[in-house]
Amino acid sequence: AQTVTQSQPEMSVQEAETVTLSCTYDTSENNYYLFWYKQPPSRQMILVIRQEAYKQQNATENRFSVNFQKAAKSFSLKISDSQLGDTAMYFCAFMKHGDTNAGKSTFGDGTTLTVKP
Amino acid sequence: DTAVSQTPKYLVTQMGNDKSIKCEQNLGHDTMYWYKQDSKKFLKIMFSYNNKELIINETVPNRFSPKSPDKAHLNLHINSLELGDSAVYFCASAPNSGEAYNEQFFGPGTRLTVL
Repeated sequence: AQTVTQSQPEMSVQEAETVTLSCTYDTSENNYYLFWYKQPPSRQMILVIRQEAYKQQNATENRFSVNFQKAAKSFSLKISDSQLGDTAMYFCAFMKHGDTNAGKSTFGDGTTLTVKP
Repeated sequence: DTAVSQTPKYLVTQMGNDKSIKCEQNLGHDTMYWYKQDSKKFLKIMFSYNNKELIINETVPNRFSPKSPDKAHLNLHINSLELGDSAVYFCASAPNSGEAYNEQFFGPGTRLTVL
């Protein structure tokens, strides 16, 4: 079974600064997908960024980027130029490729990020 | 245009009652899910359906019964509600489960409070 660990339950950052959220996972699979989801106080869960394990290039989405280290099984999220609207709970998630239980995601326990003005 | 909708958004009920939460997606996705998020914000998958067929059934009490009348709907019925069922329940959908590239689209959640 896969496990996803987010070792930082809470973090804070000053507006306009950069913050990195950590995520590690454990799997024996070689082909899989990793995701970061954001859950703001409004409760709506939305996808922030995703990474295919077979791609060596780190995914980026505007101010959001990941540092994917496959050998170390690490998938950290970097938020640049933090904005007040980035205040949310962030979940790291893992999904196997070609899983017969197709589409099953394993989520970490989340990191609550507070952006301070 | 709401992609994944859930009703109701809030549900307050007494222990022992039976309640249902409805979920609908208009994205044409094949796979739908139910998640439970407890008071500590831990998110756990409960069920997954692909084209109306049950794919994932995590260790969930029999009091929870999902029903998928068609691939756009996945409802959750809960019998004999208990205090520990209080949580936020999220519905989600994702494109064809044959592809691993499954971005999940979440509904707004239903906050269930059992008194």
